[in-house]
Amino acid sequence: DQQVKQNSPSLSVQEGRISILNCDYTNSMFDYFLWYKKYPAEGPTFLISISSIKDKNEDGRFTVFLNKSAKHLSLHIVPSQPGDSAVYFCAASVPKAAGNKLTFGGGTRVLVKP
Amino acid sequence: GAGVSQSPRYKVAKRGQDVALRCDPISGHVSLFWYQQALGQGPEFLTYFQNEAQLDKSGLPSDRFFAERPEGSVSTLKIQRTQQEDSAVYLCASSLTSGNTIYFGEGSWLTVV
Repeated sequence: DQQVKQNSPSLSVQEGRISILNCDYTNSMFDYFLWYKKYPAEGPTFLISISSIKDKNEDGRFTVFLNKSAKHLSLHIVPSQPGDSAVYFCAASVPKAAGNKLTFGGGTRVLVKP
Repeated sequence: GAGVSQSPRYKVAKRGQDVALRCDPISGHVSLFWYQQALGQGPEFLTYFQNEAQLDKSGLPSDRFFAERPEGSVSTLKIQRTQQEDSAVYLCASSLTSGNTIYFGEGSWLTVV
């Protein structure tokens, strides 16, 4: 039973436009959400996070939105750049559970075309 | 380097062979995690250490999988009698303490033939 789902396996966007990545979760105990970015042959790197007490967090070109009632979060990248081409993973954690271990979605591959 | 270091980066094992994967976490990091990532999927939690104590091993898929962190720093993930379904990338991650940002290593790519 997948507790975190990314229903779009891939996304293609033109350079300079907005990329919107979506993530849905089922476990209402999740209280902290993160996005990781992964290049081929590298480990995931932390991108941005949001606590369940907020509905938006912004860091430069990256903004994460959380809709708790819908159990949905999204990542907006604007403007998209070719270097943003990577696989993006949504992740969530339950408070005080095993060091705040992360439950990941299946990933969305983003291709930014020049 | 200052990041999480894993070795070997690539390992090809014959079915039935035992393998050992090593992880050097970031210096001073208390929390250490192992994840398994199958091709085309997201990482899945295997086990968690706080210092030398293995506090959660609920994600280990079978008793062929064993992890240790005897001195609270370096960790080893051992897989006995490997099978083809064990083929995956094994990711190690660490954080300063519980609740801090989790940093991942580059992974150990295991192929069982």
